[in-house]
Amino acid sequence: SQQGEEDPQALSIQEGENATMNCSYKTSINNLQWYRQNSGRGLVHLILIRSNEREKHSGRLRVTLDTSKKSSSLLITASRAADTASYFCATDATGGETSGSRLTFGEGTQLTVNP
Amino acid sequence: NAGVTQTPKFRVLKTGQSMTLLCAQDMNHEYMYWYRQDPGMGLRLIHYSVGEGTTAKGEVPDGYNVSRLKKQNFLLGLESAAPSQTSVYFCASSALLSGEQFFGPGTRLTVL
Repeated sequence: SQQGEEDPQALSIQEGENATMNCSYKTSINNLQWYRQNSGRGLVHLILIRSNEREKHSGRLRVTLDTSKKSSSLLITASRAADTASYFCATDATGGETSGSRLTFGEGTQLTVNP
Repeated sequence: NAGVTQTPKFRVLKTGQSMTLLCAQDMNHEYMYWYRQDPGMGLRLIHYSVGEGTTAKGEVPDGYNVSRLKKQNFLLGLESAAPSQTSVYFCASSALLSGEQFFGPGTRLTVL
């Protein structure tokens, strides 16, 4: 079963608007990551937030993490048509010597940015 | 740096045939993974490896075998392909304790 669940499943916005995607998970985690997948391509890592962090920024991306609610959000500001892609959250709940060795992916949010 | 590469990019098999998918990475990563991606189901982990000579089962291992004889290569085998194995297969790798995974471009497999 999937650890992470994204919401919404699909999001359509106009260029220049902000896009917010949410992810909920079930177990304690070491970190949570967001990935992007353009149609027909492999996933590309966007950002990683550790369990002891609450917010992280990278360019136009802002990620928040609320471990008490077991949820995260990805905000893309001033969206562009080129941001059209699927976005996945992934959780790392591994520990010990192989910490960081496994991720569990959600089902993704399909973002469409209309020019 | 080529990153993570996968061979082949596309393949069509008949039920019962066998094949091997090859993944190679040139980043000296310890960890390697095989996922399958089906419409509406995200990525599911098939098998993974935490080092040369070691493999472990993921979420959906049945019908697949893997080998990691060299650190840079991770092979995924289908001994007797079934239509349920029609999917897009992704290989990924990551550095020890890093967390971030680097993905290959995928192999689209159709089993008739």
